[in-house]
Amino acid sequence: DGGITQSPKYLFRKEGQNVTLSCEQNLNHDAMYWYRQDPGQGLRLIYYSQIVNDFQKGDIAEGYSVSREKKESFPLTVTSAQKNPTAFYLCASRGLAGFQETQYFGPGTRLLVL
Amino acid sequence: GESVGLHLPTLSVQEGDNSIINCAYSNSASDYFIWYKQESGKGPQFIIDIRSNMDKRQGQRVTVLLNKTVKHLSLQIAATQPGDSAVYFCAETTPGNNRKLIWGLGTSLAVNP
Repeated sequence: DGGITQSPKYLFRKEGQNVTLSCEQNLNHDAMYWYRQDPGQGLRLIYYSQIVNDFQKGDIAEGYSVSREKKESFPLTVTSAQKNPTAFYLCASRGLAGFQETQYFGPGTRLLVL
Repeated sequence: GESVGLHLPTLSVQEGDNSIINCAYSNSASDYFIWYKQESGKGPQFIIDIRSNMDKRQGQRVTVLLNKTVKHLSLQIAATQPGDSAVYFCAETTPGNNRKLIWGLGTSLAVNP
């Protein structure tokens, strides 16, 4: 059963703490993405990776870090430098759909601050 | 309490009616457009796409129309069902820029039984 999984579904962060969100895909896709979604708003790109061991900053990378050591995995760390981390985080990978490649999304992780 | 934040445009329709969701895109160089559906608490789901050399494409119960002159995209849903209730996003992409998606703000569709 192919797809994108994200864990955990809910994550709680204490003040000054770093937390890591997991994203795994078994679709054999090269490119992967992390987005942030705030209530009632669209998606904003945090980081993306076109290939293993390579990644680029998106529009709102400050306070976040990523790694891409394996094709299947693209974890996102929300660092203590991110002062407003409460949001819904979505991971995506890019594969063929319709006419050409586009992004498939995981179920999301909701991050809340204690 | 009082809620603070942006409010998505909302379209409210009766079950069985047709729905039309509109989107103004930003870049005249965009050559590929996608509609996504996002149900509450879930990730966006691909619905249908269209290339810039087309002006219409039909899927199952959905039709996308593209008007490049005014940079306008629309999604038509025929015989709207309660399961169609969701937020709908349009996205555009250009040949360069690593094919990153540029997202619209979204429209919330509410289907009344």
